[in-house]
Amino acid sequence: NAGVTQTPKFRILKIGQSMTLQCTQDMNHNYMYWYRQDPGMGLKLIYYSVGAGITDKGEVPNGYNVSRSTTEDFPLRLELAAPSQTSVYFCASSSSLWLPDTQYFGPGTRLTVL
Amino acid sequence: AQKITQTQPGMFVQEKEAVTLDCTYDTSDQSYGLFWYKQPSSGEMIFLIYQGSYDEQNATEGRYSLNFQKARKSANLVISASQLGDSAMYFCAMREGAGANNLFFGTGTRLTVIP
Repeated sequence: NAGVTQTPKFRILKIGQSMTLQCTQDMNHNYMYWYRQDPGMGLKLIYYSVGAGITDKGEVPNGYNVSRSTTEDFPLRLELAAPSQTSVYFCASSSSLWLPDTQYFGPGTRLTVL
Repeated sequence: AQKITQTQPGMFVQEKEAVTLDCTYDTSDQSYGLFWYKQPSSGEMIFLIYQGSYDEQNATEGRYSLNFQKARKSANLVISASQLGDSAMYFCAMREGAGANNLFFGTGTRLTVIP
């Protein structure tokens, strides 16, 4: 059981470039999330999805886009990368929004924008 | 105001001893959940333990227990019989209310276990 997988693990981008961070889960979870973790900080929610075709903004959505065409996949798109987007990105999933359901995290993608 | 506060940037503990990692939270919701995650140097986030606001007993999971003091709005993680593999960052997090999408995280505590 792979759980939540993310690719790539590491990436260096130049300012203004674009890229897509991939996230896939095999737990048949309806709810998926993207977080970013800045150095020395906790995670902050970028976007989330409650099912295929439905997404919504979190705390820090600017500079990002998401889509959810299938239950399994939830890619995060960075357009016009900026140094402020240097961070570690975590994808997570859960079976519901209701407590006590836990969010399970992928291994993260470390992104550097130079 | 910060939703989750972890005031200990770093902690040291001798192997086989117990250690308490502090977490205080701020919410006006009656229904909320508190989570602890471990982040080893490899970077992944590992779920450790959960405490619901209506749970009357403190949560326990193996060597992990949660010292939940609702009136003080604290949810401290206790690790008993520390092992070298416990060295990691530990994050306290909270979800508010029913149907809430966001986990609010603290800034974390780096635990180092000394042989």
